Amino acid sequence: KAGVTQTPRYLIKTRGQQVTLSCSPISGHRSVSWYQQTPGQGLQFLFEYFSETQRNKGNFPGRFSGRQFSNSRSEMNVSTLELGDSALYLCASTLGGGLETQYFGPGTRLLVL
Amino acid sequence: EDKVVQSPLSLVVHEGDTVTLNCSYEVTNFRSLLWYKQEKKAPTFLFMLTSSGIEKKSGRLSSILDKKELFSILNITATQTGDSAVYLCALYNNNDMRFGAGTRLTVKP
Repeated sequence: KAGVTQTPRYLIKTRGQQVTLSCSPISGHRSVSWYQQTPGQGLQFLFEYFSETQRNKGNFPGRFSGRQFSNSRSEMNVSTLELGDSALYLCASTLGGGLETQYFGPGTRLLVL
Repeated sequence: EDKVVQSPLSLVVHEGDTVTLNCSYEVTNFRSLLWYKQEKKAPTFLFMLTSSGIEKKSGRLSSILDKKELFSILNITATQTGDSAVYLCALYNNNDMRFGAGTRLTVKP
């Protein structure tokens, strides 16, 4: 079974721009979660989508948004990029019962200049 | 605010040594405590702990949770260079997953 895939793997943007990241879960998984990892703040939960609905949300500003499609693929969007948004963005998928059994993707490394 | 504190932040040992990584928390209510290993990018799951005092083992790795004293430990015996990684502890409460800063373990040959 193929693992969680994320595209693109690396991205460079400038302040003020917006960015969309994509995550394809493991086949059959219906829940996708997104995380931000930075050296200063560590790994932080952004949000979780299940069956096309946002089920949980972390403590991030509204510039961070996401969505999930009927095939469980998910996208995360960050608008009006700031330098502090430079991070590794990880997504993880699970069947849907809970996040304990989640599998992480390789991440997208975003650099904001 | 709920806190997850890992110690030490970094650790350098030699192959064959035994290490103990700590995760203490100030979380009022949680469903499970999880340990992950992160080598390059994607964290990989190690253990899920829900009950106090029950040790989980996988090869040279073991972990236990103490809900009374609010901490968990991850033990690695007979360390190998392949154990070099960042070890993350996280608490999951159905709505949120809160991670510690991680312990960077370096195992020298």
